[in-house]
Amino acid sequence: KAGVTQTPRYLIKTRGQQVTLSCSPISGHRSVSWYQQTPGQGLQFLFEYFSETQRNKGNFPGRFSGRQFSNSRSEMNVSTLELGDSALYLCASSGEGGKTEAFFGQGTRLTVV
Amino acid sequence: QKEVEQDPGPLSVPEGAIVSLNCTYSNSAFQYFMWYRQYSRKGPELLMYTYSSGNKEDGRFTAQVDKSSKYISLFIRDSQPSDSATYLCAMMDSSYKLIFGSGTRLLVRP
Repeated sequence: KAGVTQTPRYLIKTRGQQVTLSCSPISGHRSVSWYQQTPGQGLQFLFEYFSETQRNKGNFPGRFSGRQFSNSRSEMNVSTLELGDSALYLCASSGEGGKTEAFFGQGTRLTVV
Repeated sequence: QKEVEQDPGPLSVPEGAIVSLNCTYSNSAFQYFMWYRQYSRKGPELLMYTYSSGNKEDGRFTAQVDKSSKYISLFIRDSQPSDSATYLCAMMDSSYKLIFGSGTRLLVRP
């Protein structure tokens, strides 16, 4: 069974640009969550989607947004990039969002210059 | 005060030692408890998952949850150099978001 797939693995962007990251969950999983990981703040929750609906959102500015498609694949978008957005962005999938284990992808490492 | 507290380490032990990793939490609404292992430049790998107080064993790993004390532990028996990684505890309430500890760096010396 394939795991959680995130693309691309690495990205370098310039301040002010926007970026879209993609996550394909484990087959059959309907919940996708996004997390930001930085050395200073650790792993922080961005948002969670279940059946194309955002069920919860973390304390991030509106520049961070996401969506989920009918096949459960999810995208995360960050607009007007800032240097502080440089981080490892991780996606996790689970069967029923909170009722089962959450499995992570390898992440997308975003560098903003 | 953070919702989840975890000693960042590093924790250095000789090969074959028993390792004890711990987290404390303040939110009594947490229902689900997980331990992840993360190697450098990789995503977190789920090691243990539990939703009740007590012990759960899987191979060399034992997870322990004490809800009355708001304290969780992960024990690694017969530790190996390949266990060297950062170990993250994570907890979830009914809001579907995982709250992570800061992670403990473990180094197992050959």
